[in-house]
Amino acid sequence: SQQGEEDPQALSIQEGENATMNCSYKTSINNLQWYRQNSGRGLVHLILIRSNEREKHSGRLRVTLDTSKKSSSLLITASRAADTASYFCATDALSGYSTLTFGKGTMLLVSP
Amino acid sequence: DAGITQSPRYKITETGRQVTLMCHQTWSHSYMFWYRQDLGHGLRLIYYSAAADITDKGEVSDGYVVSRSKTENFPLTLESATRSQTSVYFCASRTGNNSPLHFGNGTRLTVT
Repeated sequence: SQQGEEDPQALSIQEGENATMNCSYKTSINNLQWYRQNSGRGLVHLILIRSNEREKHSGRLRVTLDTSKKSSSLLITASRAADTASYFCATDALSGYSTLTFGKGTMLLVSP
Repeated sequence: DAGITQSPRYKITETGRQVTLMCHQTWSHSYMFWYRQDLGHGLRLIYYSAAADITDKGEVSDGYVVSRSKTENFPLTLESATRSQTSVYFCASRTGNNSPLHFGNGTRLTVT
């Protein structure tokens, strides 16, 4: 069963605009991670936020985490056509082995 | 170059045949994983391994077998392929908790 669920499923914006994707999850987590997948390729790690952190930045990426609401958001500022990809959140559960559970992803299309 | 390599990149096989997907990583990561990616389902965990000779089932392990005799290799075998196993298969590795997953570029398997 999916732990993380991204919203929206698809997002279409113009270059220069900001893109926001949301992720909700169900159980307590150790950390939450965001990944990007370009068409036909493997997933690439973007950012990891631990359960005791509320916000994290990496370049044009900003991730927030609200453990009380069991939700996270990924903001990409000043989007570029090269940001076109699918974005996935993944949760690292508090208990059990070191496995990540992925959501179904948000497909982002950035038009020039 | 250091990284995680999957082979073959594409594979077509017939129903009932045995097929093995290979995965090799050069980082000496303890943990290795197999996921399958299907439209509408996102990534689902098939099997994972915490170290050589330690493996465990994931969410969708039926019909699959893994082994890990060496830290760097984690082959996935479909004992008797079925059409429902047509999918893109991703191998990944990580050092442990609170670390990112590193993915291979995937194997696209078609079962006819």
